[in-house]
Parts: sequence; C-alpha cells; structure tokens
Amino acid sequence: NAGVTQTPKFQVLKTGQSMTLQCAQDMNHEYMSWYRQDPGMGLRLIHYSVGAGITDQGEVPNGYNVSRSTTEDFPLRLLSAAPSQTSVYFCASSKDSSGANVLTFGAGSRLTVL
Amino acid sequence: EDQVTQSPEALRLQEGESSSLNCSYTVSGLRGLFWYRQDPGKGPEFLFTLYSAGEEKEKERLKATLTKKESFLHITAPKPEDSATYLCAVQAYTGTASKLTFGTGTRLQVTL
Repeated sequence: NAGVTQTPKFQVLKTGQSMTLQCAQDMNHEYMSWYRQDPGMGLRLIHYSVGAGITDQGEVPNGYNVSRSTTEDFPLRLLSAAPSQTSVYFCASSKDSSGANVLTFGAGSRLTVL
Repeated sequence: EDQVTQSPEALRLQEGESSSLNCSYTVSGLRGLFWYRQDPGKGPEFLFTLYSAGEEKEKERLKATLTKKESFLHITAPKPEDSATYLCAVQAYTGTASKLTFGTGTRLQVTL
C-alpha cells in the first residue's frame, strides 16, 4: 500500500498565484484532513472531511479551499497565495471520524510564497 | 480551548543515556492522547495512543505513560536511530472526533 501520497513535494509561488496541493490515499479511509506545520508552532488543522461530499473548516481555514468528490482524493487549493502561507503542508487520513483513530500522514508538501 | 505543551524543546543524549519527554495538556474531556515521531523531511509517524490515566504502552526502547494532566515518553538506553522530533497530541470529546491538538514537539538528538 502506498498510504497517503502528496504532490508536489516542493513548490515556489509568487504572491497572488493559485495552486492545488494534491492528496490521495489508498486505504479506503473515510476521514481526511490537511494540516500546516510552522516553526515553533504545532501542527494546525486547516480543513477536514468525514466522507465524500462532506468538508468542514479547521483551526486556520482562511485562504484555503477543499473539496472531496471521491473517498480517495482530498485536494487543497490556494486561490491567491500570500507569504503567510509559506509552510509545510501535511495531508492525513484515518479510518473514520469516530473514536480515537490514528492518523496516517503523507510525507508533506513544502510551499514557499515569495 | 485544548492546549498541549511539550518540554524540553530540544534534548541531546548520549547513546545509552535514558531520559523522559514531557507532554502537559488541558482538554475538555480526553478521548485520547497520541505520540508521534517525525523524522526530518517526513510526516509524523504514529507511536502510541493512551486513553486513560494510569495507562502505559511500550515499544522497543520507548514507554509512554499518562496521568490526568500530563504524559511522559520514557526513552531507555537510546540509540542514534531514535533521533527525531517527538510530537504529542490530544483529542477531545467535542465535535468531529478526529480533530487533534498538537504540541510543538521535542527534538531529540542521540549521539555516540
């Protein structure tokens, strides 16, 4: 099993550009989420989904959009990138949203916004 | 608001020198406390889940314990391959069950 696959691994954007970070999982997990990791701060939840067609906001959703058209994929869209969005982004999934389910993380996508 | 504080921020040990990492937390009803290991340039990797005070779990040189206010990750006779950042996270009985609050981590370096 590949687990959680994120692409691209690295990306440099200019302020105002848009892009999509891709996330795919092959474990048939219902729950998927996006976190960002910044120096000196813990992982912070951006958006999450408890199943296809269902998404909701996390702690830091501003500037990001998500959709969940299939169980496998959960892309994160930056509509107009800002330097404050420079970060490492992690996609994570778990079997479902009930109980204390373990998250499986992708390898991360490092984004720099100039 | 759920909070997680990890200490120390960084720890340097010699091979074989045992120590403990601390995770203090405040949460409105603990569903679970998680420990993850993160290697540079990689995503966090699951280590343990603890559910209630008094619970302990072990894996190789690592042992996690839980009280009502904190969790410890004990590292016995560490090896250089144990070098990593160790993350603690809590999950509360509120809203969507899988929303975790993470600490900032303890960066462990084990030298020969």
